[in-house]
Amino acid sequence: KAGVTQTPRYLIKTRGQQVTLSCSPISGHRSVSWYQQTPGQGLQFLFEYFSETQRNKGNFPGRFSGRQFSNSRSEMNVSTLELGDSALYLCASSLEQRQGWYEQYFGPGTRLTVT
Amino acid sequence: ELKVEQNPLFLSMQEGKNYTIYCNYSTTSDRLYWYRQDPGKSLESLFVLLSNGAVKQEGRLMASLDTKARLSTLHITAAVHDLSATYFCAVDSRDDKIIFGKGTRLHILP
Repeated sequence: KAGVTQTPRYLIKTRGQQVTLSCSPISGHRSVSWYQQTPGQGLQFLFEYFSETQRNKGNFPGRFSGRQFSNSRSEMNVSTLELGDSALYLCASSLEQRQGWYEQYFGPGTRLTVT
Repeated sequence: ELKVEQNPLFLSMQEGKNYTIYCNYSTTSDRLYWYRQDPGKSLESLFVLLSNGAVKQEGRLMASLDTKARLSTLHITAAVHDLSATYFCAVDSRDDKIIFGKGTRLHILP
């Protein structure tokens, strides 16, 4: 079974630009979560989508947004990029379990550098 | 607000030795995860702990969960160089967000 894929893997953008990152979950997984990883702040939860609906959101400004399509693929968008947005962005997919817990499978990440 | 603390944050140890990484969390939760991350790579799921007293083992790694103490441990037995990585614990908060610890960077010396 193919794993979680993320595109692009590396990206360099300039301050003020906007960027869209893509995530394809494992086949059959309906939940997609996004995380930002930086050396200073560690791993921080951005948002989670399930069946095309944002189910949860972390403490990030409105410049960070996302969406999920009917095939469970997800995109996240960052507008008006700032230097501090430079990070590894990780996507994780999970198969919703009836008991309410789920194991997440992470993609390889997109390394975003803002100059 | 749920806070997750790992210690130590850095650990350098000799091959063959045993050691324990601790993960404390601040509010009630009964779902805890351990992940491994190699440099430049993504996160690999190691263990999912769902109930008080849960213990899981895989090779030289063993994880346990004490929900009353709000503590999980990741024990390394007879460490080998291949276990060098950063280990993260993550806890499900009551509002279904997963909060990660800062990670423990483990370096195993031959």
